[in-house]
Amino acid sequence: AQSVTQPDIHITVSEGASLELRCNYSYGATPYLFWYVQSPGQGLQLLLKYFSGDTLVQGIKGFEAEFKRSQSSFNLRKPSVHWSDAAEYFCAVVAYSGNTPLVFGKGTRLSVIA
Amino acid sequence: DGGITQSPKYLFRKEGQNVTLSCEQNLNHDAMYWYRQDPGQGLRLIYYSQIVNDFQKGDIAEGYSVSREKKESFPLTVTSAQKNPTAFYLCATTGQGLMNTEAFFGQGTRLTVV
Repeated sequence: AQSVTQPDIHITVSEGASLELRCNYSYGATPYLFWYVQSPGQGLQLLLKYFSGDTLVQGIKGFEAEFKRSQSSFNLRKPSVHWSDAAEYFCAVVAYSGNTPLVFGKGTRLSVIA
Repeated sequence: DGGITQSPKYLFRKEGQNVTLSCEQNLNHDAMYWYRQDPGQGLRLIYYSQIVNDFQKGDIAEGYSVSREKKESFPLTVTSAQKNPTAFYLCATTGQGLMNTEAFFGQGTRLTVV
């Protein structure tokens, strides 16, 4: 069965600082990987996704993520954080065969301080 | 305007009552999902449906029921058997094929038992 671990429950960064959110997945075959962002009381918005090919993927709002098969990781990064990035971030994995439910990590809450 | 509509946004239920949460989509997606979100728990899958008139239990189906009579609609009923129904409920859809595995989310319904 697939599973996703986000080791950090809550991270606080200063505005303008760099950010890295960690995600480790467990899946025996080639996974599809996603990062979503959620503002309080809202639905989830897709930031980026990895299916195959280049292991460094670019997303919206200046985010990027790197797939490392050897480490079973898909960490999310941003070079310079803005106050509007404060939200909850979820990593998700789905089976390569598709059309099956995404499995989500428990999320990382990001706070941004001035 | 294409998307997923969940209603109502807020719902209050007395103990012992059944309530139904609505999810409607005009994305022409085959698969629909219901997730429950509790603080610190991430998203947990309740039920999903890959095609009309068919659905499968997720990880936490007890106390919930669904129907899928139309492609556009996937209502969730929270029954009186659900011991702790207060939560944020999210409906999602996915399209066909391996390149449409990302999930699209509604804005959620917050259910509170009073």
